[in-house]
Amino acid sequence: AQRVTQPEKLLSVFKGAPVELKCNYSYSGSPELFWYVQYSRQRLQLLLRHISRESIKGFTADLNKGETSFHLKKPFAQEEDSAMYYCALSALTDNAGNMLTFGGGTRLMVKP
Amino acid sequence: GAGVSQTPSNKVTEKGKYVELRCDPISGHTALYWYRQSLGQGPEFLIYFQGTGAADDSGLPNDRFFAVRPEGSVSTLKIQRTERGDSAVYLCASSRDSGVSTDTQYFGPGTRLTVL
Repeated sequence: AQRVTQPEKLLSVFKGAPVELKCNYSYSGSPELFWYVQYSRQRLQLLLRHISRESIKGFTADLNKGETSFHLKKPFAQEEDSAMYYCALSALTDNAGNMLTFGGGTRLMVKP
Repeated sequence: GAGVSQTPSNKVTEKGKYVELRCDPISGHTALYWYRQSLGQGPEFLIYFQGTGAADDSGLPNDRFFAVRPEGSVSTLKIQRTERGDSAVYLCASSRDSGVSTDTQYFGPGTRLTVL
């Protein structure tokens, strides 16, 4: 069974400071990892996925299979980054499609 | 285009009652997922449809929960004999084709269920 852990419930930083939201996972196969974001009063939406290896809104995340981590980073936080961030894992199986296993979420607060 | 929609947005019911939650996926999306999000937690998988059939219902907590998708589009999550522990936000998501592991799941706004 797969599991995703986000050790921090809340992360508070000042505008312009670097941000790192931690995500660790356990899965015996080859996972696909995602970061989803939920801004205030909006629906959950995909931020980025490890396969794309892209930067979205200045955020990047690198899959480290040795450490089973997929931490989300941004060098300079902006106030509009304040939101709930969820790390998620997909394990494609024969019958479950790409159901997502989510971590508990980290609330990022960026103070002015 | 229109995203995933869910109705109602809020549902308050009494313990023991029956409720139905509706999800309208993005047109053309064959895969549909239901998740449940309890307060302070991440979403948890309930059931997955590929077309009209429930391909995986391993996340349903017990036999009070049931979901259908009769025409391969709209889905209804049904909860019988509701309990206070069923109170949560129920999320629906759809994607193009579950056979492609990198498919993006698009989420609806959720239905907040409160069982008194």
